[in-house]
Parts: sequence; structure tokens; C-alpha cells
Amino acid sequence: SQQGEEDPQALSIQEGENATMNCSYKTSINNLQWYRQNSGRGLVHLILIRSNEREKHSGRLRVTLDTSKKSSSLLITASRAADTASYFCATDAVRPNSGYALNFGKGTSLLVTP
Amino acid sequence: EPEVTQTPSHQVTQMGQEVILRCVPISNHLYFYWYRQILGQKVEFLVSFYNNEISEKSEIFDDQFSVERPDGSNFTLKIRSTKLEDSAMYFCASSDVGGRVYNEQFFGPGTRLTVL
Repeated sequence: SQQGEEDPQALSIQEGENATMNCSYKTSINNLQWYRQNSGRGLVHLILIRSNEREKHSGRLRVTLDTSKKSSSLLITASRAADTASYFCATDAVRPNSGYALNFGKGTSLLVTP
Repeated sequence: EPEVTQTPSHQVTQMGQEVILRCVPISNHLYFYWYRQILGQKVEFLVSFYNNEISEKSEIFDDQFSVERPDGSNFTLKIRSTKLEDSAMYFCASSDVGGRVYNEQFFGPGTRLTVL
């Protein structure tokens, strides 16, 4: 089954505005992580939120988790052109014999224009 | 800040050839992973490795694939006989001993594999 589906698929905003991306998943999770990927580059870990947490902050990032709705959101405040990238959520599902595989969504492509 | 490194950054090979992708995980990490991302698609899990053995593998990770930790620092992915559809970006990741709830995985920059 697919986990970690983000929306919107693409988001275009101006510098200074806030960007909100959402992620939905289907099964129970241990944690949910957000990653950033600049075009053709590696994945940069942004933040991890555990299943018993509801909100977490890191600098300009704010992540929420609603396990009853199986959804998470990533808010980037006061966006900058350098935030232009693709953003992925990844879930670590509760499974027997888990090797801690992360399931990634298709990502949200964020464009921040000056 | 410690980081995962991967070599080479780009590998071009002929169909049917063997390739070995190399990774150096973060030094105090004990869990190691390989993922791949076909161009324009999402990142897919291949295999996880702990205590010198595979702990989980996906259906993508068939008999053509193998992993090894030949020494205390390197972690390799071998594809025995490459196919055109193996062309992708391959990412290595590692996480520490914090356990399931703290499974922060840190990714390397990736190796772009092109099979001709």
C-alpha cells in the first residue's frame, strides 16, 4: 500500500510568504519524517515527529501530526528563494519484522520566487 | 557535521555488467539502508542491514542485488547483471541505535546509475 502521499503536488509562492504542505498515510506509524531534495541532489533530513507527538518546531519549520486523521503538515514560515526544492514525507510503519524501511510520498515541488 | 558519503557520484555501465555502489555511513550508526529513485518517481526502499545481515528487503531487491559491509566503514550495493530499468539514483542512508521510534535516517548525496 502507498504511504505518505503529499499535496499539493506543486506550490508556487513569493518570498516572505508561508508554505504549507500536507501528507496523508494509510497505516499506523512509529514516526513521520520530512525531507527536502534540491533538483537532482540528495535528500536532506528536516524533521522527525514521533507518533505520540502532535507538533514540532525547528527554526522556520513547523510540523504537525494528527494520527486520528493519518495526516501531517509541514509549514515553512517566511519562505526564501533557497527553500525552492521538493519536499517529501516518509513514514516508518508499524509492521512485524520491520527493518525500519521508510515509505516516501511523491513529494511537493515548492517554488519560491523573489 | 558527520555525513553519509557515496561513491561514485555517477556510474555509467553497459547492460549485463556488474556494478558496485559504495557508501560510508555515519561512523557511530548501526543501521544501513539502500533506496533508489527512478527519474521523476518517488524514493523506493530496497534493503536495510543491521548486525551484518539483511533485516528487511523489498520486492525490488531480487537475486541480482546484494549488500555487504566488507569492513568497519564501507557499505556496498552490488547489482550483478544490470538491466536498463536499473537506471536510477541510488541513495545510501544510515541511522543510529536509537531504536524504532527515533529512526532518523540520514541520506548520502546519491549515485546516479545509467545503464546503456
